[in-house]
Parts: sequence; structure tokens; C-alpha cells
Amino acid sequence: SQELEQSPQSLIVQEGKNLTINCTSSKTLYGLYWYKQKYGEGLIFLMMLQKGGEEKSHEKITAKLDEKKQQSSLHITASQPSHAGIYLCGARSTATGANSKLTFGKGITLSVRP
Amino acid sequence: NAGVMQNPRHLVRRRGQEARLRCSPMKGHSHVYWYRQLPEEGLKFMVYLQKENIIDESGMPKERFSAEFPKEGPSILRIQQVVRGDSAAYFCASSPTPGPLGSGNTIYFGEGSWLTVV
Repeated sequence: SQELEQSPQSLIVQEGKNLTINCTSSKTLYGLYWYKQKYGEGLIFLMMLQKGGEEKSHEKITAKLDEKKQQSSLHITASQPSHAGIYLCGARSTATGANSKLTFGKGITLSVRP
Repeated sequence: NAGVMQNPRHLVRRRGQEARLRCSPMKGHSHVYWYRQLPEEGLKFMVYLQKENIIDESGMPKERFSAEFPKEGPSILRIQQVVRGDSAAYFCASSPTPGPLGSGNTIYFGEGSWLTVV
């Protein structure tokens, strides 16, 4: 089964600083999803990447999938307290839609100091 | 456009009772997934259903847990004879029909149902 490693496990940054978090797999990632979760709440969809080398941005968050499709990074520019939360990456386990469940990493807890 | 709706949001059950968690997928979505999140652990897949069919239940405990997604109405995750270890957040997600390779679909999550067994 596919395992996703997220790093670092937790991160504390000063407001206004940039940061990058990572999601790595030993197997090919067929669809890589980034979600954000506030403690005690549901998961908010951020972005989905599918193609090797793909990059997507939304507001101050940029996600990339490497050419080999085994690693993804999430970069936040000029972090704000509203960016604080748990960032989860999830990936499909197979190439086809017939088995389209997502397997998740353990998440990265981000704290932003004002 | 309403998102994935889960209820109840919080549920307290005594050991040995039954817990029923409901999930209404987003409009137009015919695929439902249930996940469990334990304290200090990640999100673990439980079951994947389409209307009236269980597609993948590889993450479901063999006993006491069952799931359904009837033709009409919400998907139900049922836990019989609950034990303290069942205390967790249970998340439902939905997606439209998965596409072929290269056309994956977004999976949206609900707010979760927090089960506490006392």
C-alpha cells in the first residue's frame, strides 16, 4: 500500500515569513491532493495536482508536483495567522478510477506567530 | 451549492450502544468515502461506496462496523456495540464519478462527526 511521508511534522513561523512543507511517496502519485484542517473541524480542499511538473497557485499558496510524481511541496508566501492549521496531503493509490480512495499522510501542524 | 453534510456533528454513546452517522454527499456526487481520524493519528480510509454498492471496504473493521449508501437518502456508517476505542472523528467525503487516467476528480470532505464513547 502507498505511504505518504509529510515533513516537517510541525512548523512554527513568524507572521510574514515564507515556508515550504513536503509530501513524499516511494511510489508514483496518481493525483496528489492538499487539504487544510483546523483543529476540530473538517478538511478544506486546497489543490489537486496530477501531472509531473505541475504547479498550481491560489492566493498565497503554491503547490508543485515533481517530474517523477513522487514528491509534492506546498509553499506559503508571507504567512498569516489564517494559514495556521494542519496540512494534509492525500494521493490516489492507483492510476484508474476504479479504486479512487485517497491515502493520507499524518499531516503537518503549522503555527504562525503574530 | 451545499457541501457534504454530516450529522450529527457530535455524538455521545455509552459502551455497548449503537452509533449511526449520516452523510449526504454534494449535489451530483454519487461516490461516498468514510474516513476515521483518531487523536494523534492520520486520516484512515474505511470504506468507499457508490449508490447501493460497496466498492472498497478494505479499511473497515471486520466486526461491528457497516456502511450503506441506499438509492435514496444519505449514506450511513453504523457502529454496533461501541467501545471506547471507537471514539474518533468520522469524516465523510464525496466525489463525482471518477474519471479515467489523467482526469481525476476533487474529493470534498464534510465537517465530520465526533463520536465519544463513555
